[in-house]
Amino acid sequence: AQRVTQPEKLLSVFKGAPVELKCNYSYSGSPELFWYVQYSRQRLQLLLRHISRESIKGFTADLNKGETSFHLKKPFAQEEDSAMYYCAPYPVQGGSEKLVFGKGTKLTVNP
Amino acid sequence: DGGITQSPKYLFRKEGQNVTLSCEQNLNHDAMYWYRQDPGQGLRLIYYSQIVNDFQKGDIAEGYSVSREKKESFPLTVTSAQKNPTAFYLCASSPDSSYGYTFGSGTRLTVV
Repeated sequence: AQRVTQPEKLLSVFKGAPVELKCNYSYSGSPELFWYVQYSRQRLQLLLRHISRESIKGFTADLNKGETSFHLKKPFAQEEDSAMYYCAPYPVQGGSEKLVFGKGTKLTVNP
Repeated sequence: DGGITQSPKYLFRKEGQNVTLSCEQNLNHDAMYWYRQDPGQGLRLIYYSQIVNDFQKGDIAEGYSVSREKKESFPLTVTSAQKNPTAFYLCASSPDSSYGYTFGSGTRLTVV
């Protein structure tokens, strides 16, 4: 079964510190990979899409096919980064019609 | 202004009653999805539809029903058979899953 794991339910860092939110997936082949963010009282929104190789709000994510990981990173965390983050792989070659979301990591950036 | 709209924002239901949550999109997306979001459980897929008049069960479809009579609308009915319906419900749409989803702002359902 296709699975995605976000091992940390909670992550707390101080403002200005680097942050890494982990995501591991169990798909074969080359999935398309997404990170979604949900700020307090706001809707879930797309933060990053692997194929576009964009950097949004200072976040980047590198696909490591060997480790089947797609960790989200930011060198200097800001208080406004506090939110829930969800990793969502899409198995392009698997014939699936839907994304599978991880259980999420709640990031808190302390002042 | 294109987007996806869920209504109502808050909904209260008595035990034993069915209730319908609305989801409308004007993005011309073919696919629509319903998720349930519970603390610590992430997003769990209830139902999805790739095309009008067709839909498939997700991982937790028991106690729920949907219809897709129009491209822009995908209402979810929470029936009295759903044992634990109190949750936050999210609707999403997509032109194709490889592009990712656009989410609505959600409906919080409370059974009283």
